[in-house]
Amino acid sequence: DIQMTQSPSSLSATVGDRVTITCRASQSIRSYLNWYQQKPGKAPKLLIYAASNLQSGVPSRFSGSGSGTDFTLTISSLQPEDFATYYCQQTYNSPLTFGPGTKVDVK
Amino acid sequence: QVQLQESGPGLVKPSQTLSLTCTVSGGSISSGDFYWSWIRQPAGKRLEWVGRISISGSTDYNPSLKSRVTIAIDTSKNQFSLKLSSVTAADTAAYYCARVNRGSSWYYFDYWGQGTLVTVSS
Repeated sequence: DIQMTQSPSSLSATVGDRVTITCRASQSIRSYLNWYQQKPGKAPKLLIYAASNLQSGVPSRFSGSGSGTDFTLTISSLQPEDFATYYCQQTYNSPLTFGPGTKVDVK
Repeated sequence: QVQLQESGPGLVKPSQTLSLTCTVSGGSISSGDFYWSWIRQPAGKRLEWVGRISISGSTDYNPSLKSRVTIAIDTSKNQFSLKLSSVTAADTAAYYCARVNRGSSWYYFDYWGQGTLVTVSS
């Protein structure tokens, strides 16, 4: 199985901050990397697919980059509704696997 | 707007079979380049992919669960289902159904159900 790791595991930030979350795969997954946002008690929401493609309806302050094994999710200016947990997911090989999540909370 | 809704018992006894159904509305389960998938999440833990099914009925399961999982599809009812046998407390989790978009050769989960909590306990 392809192992996914994320860093940091949590971070504290203020509205307006630029936030960067890193995801690493245990082997190359080309660009088969998705990012999801999850709020407590809710289903995950797709933000970015194929490493850098913004899902329809998602604000442009979210962006993704990377290929191979190293990927980044960036929130250019953190908004109050962005406090949540963020997961990366590889869809290069079965079984599909998710990262452990990065929790973004209020500083 | 596609919507998915999970349904099924919230409490299952150990060694029994967990059964959940996902009802798709706002579009036909048979149309488009999609798979249909189940994902679960124990409290405070990461998401775990359970498996997926195509509209032709072909399946792919997580090897960690493969011996106990069956996913089926009923296109006439616009539903797909999950059965997980011989459950233990380790199967206690929120279970989500989701649509897998395979457009342009990419593969991503674009619509999710709200999730249903299943507790395994006697």
